[in-house]
Amino acid sequence: DTGVSQDPRHKITKRGQNVTFRCDPISEHNRLYWYRQTLGQGPEFLTYFQNEAQLEKSRLLSDRFSAERPKGSFSTLEIQRTEQGDSAMYLCASSAPSGSLSYNEQFFGPGTRLTVL
Amino acid sequence: SQQGEEDPQALSIQEGENATMNCSYKTSINNLQWYRQNSGRGLVHLILIRSNEREKHSGRLRVTLDTSKKSSSLLITASRAADTASYFCAAPPSSGGSNYKLTFGKGTLLTVNP
Repeated sequence: DTGVSQDPRHKITKRGQNVTFRCDPISEHNRLYWYRQTLGQGPEFLTYFQNEAQLEKSRLLSDRFSAERPKGSFSTLEIQRTEQGDSAMYLCASSAPSGSLSYNEQFFGPGTRLTVL
Repeated sequence: SQQGEEDPQALSIQEGENATMNCSYKTSINNLQWYRQNSGRGLVHLILIRSNEREKHSGRLRVTLDTSKKSSSLLITASRAADTASYFCAAPPSSGGSNYKLTFGKGTLLTVNP
């Protein structure tokens, strides 16, 4: 399978704990995005990487959230001191380099569902 | 502010019927995209229409774009039970340097009854 993969698919944690999610984009895609989706809502943009550089962060991404893409390949999203309001589906997407035929299209992973008790 | 708002919020039809859902957006765009999301799963890209296109087809999907009205429609013909899903539009703004950022509405929940 050459699509976007995310790990874990489900995570249940207690309030106050730290969690980390991983995203592996499609191999030739240099652009990577994180979104968050709550029940009944569409996904909300969190952050964007081009190669290893984090070029944009939403104001939704509080100080407790940090994302990295150290080698321009996989990315991690860490949430520190989780709160019940962090419960959501965290989606990762990737897209091809600018100039590619399909560079506007974002390919999404299956998501990580986080439940904070 | 959301750059893609879908209408209606929910639509229920019988298998074989056509389904039409609409999308409105606020700012100038380079393209508009439609995505599908089955229950509890990630989004799947369906179709992209560029701002200089008025209509595009892909299989049973037909998308129209009216940039003067800042609106788009997605038509699914001869619907199947497997088309049951939420459908989202996203229209990245053409200016402001964030033309990669997809902004979604709440989606249209389509239920196709067998």
